Amino acid sequence: QVQLVQSGAEVKKPGASVKVSCKASGYTFTSYYMHWVRQAPGQGLEWMGIINPSGGYTTSAQKFQGRVTMTRDTSTSTVYMELSSLRSEDTAVYYCARDLSQQLTHWGQGTLVTVSS
Amino acid sequence: DIQMTQSPSSLSASVGDRVTITCRASQSISNYLNWYQQKPGKAPKLLIYAASSLQSGVPSRFSGSGSGTDFTLTISSLQPEDFATYYCQQSYNTPPITFGQGTRLEIK
Repeated sequence: QVQLVQSGAEVKKPGASVKVSCKASGYTFTSYYMHWVRQAPGQGLEWMGIINPSGGYTTSAQKFQGRVTMTRDTSTSTVYMELSSLRSEDTAVYYCARDLSQQLTHWGQGTLVTVSS
Repeated sequence: DIQMTQSPSSLSASVGDRVTITCRASQSISNYLNWYQQKPGKAPKLLIYAASSLQSGVPSRFSGSGSGTDFTLTISSLQPEDFATYYCQQSYNTPPITFGQGTRLEIK
């Protein structure tokens, strides 16, 4: 069965960077795009970007351009999302989610990133 | 970017009630509309795709309808496990993917 397992919670200081991983299993990794979505405490869902695990091509939301880097490692079926220049407003749960025609059919368990001095 | 607006933002209902949640797009999105359910502390779960198609494994009490700019999610008879937050999401003009702000369904 499809599984997306994310890395554990992180605590970072303002100005630092964080890198969250999402390890996929149960399907052909390079056949499905992967999204990153975040959710601030008590807030809604915010799309961050998408990566094509086959070629590594990425597109990110305008809000995050210049601060977010999405990469993949096909040898371990893992995608990564790195967010730089962290500020308190970046405190959120970050999710990876597998794409099927822009439907997010399978989600990771989420990774809480806390930005605090 | 296409804006998605849900109503109501919150809703109180009882077990057995019929409930409808509305989602409106800022421009026509044909039937490129998906619905998700999220329970506290959990990842969202896809319920309905392409406005009215039920995702595998989702109970038939959930249904979706609409096209163009106006969409609805209906739960025909609320069960205790249905109390959650529901989000709509457009997949017509991407990127970016955009979500509604969510509708919190609470027990009356």
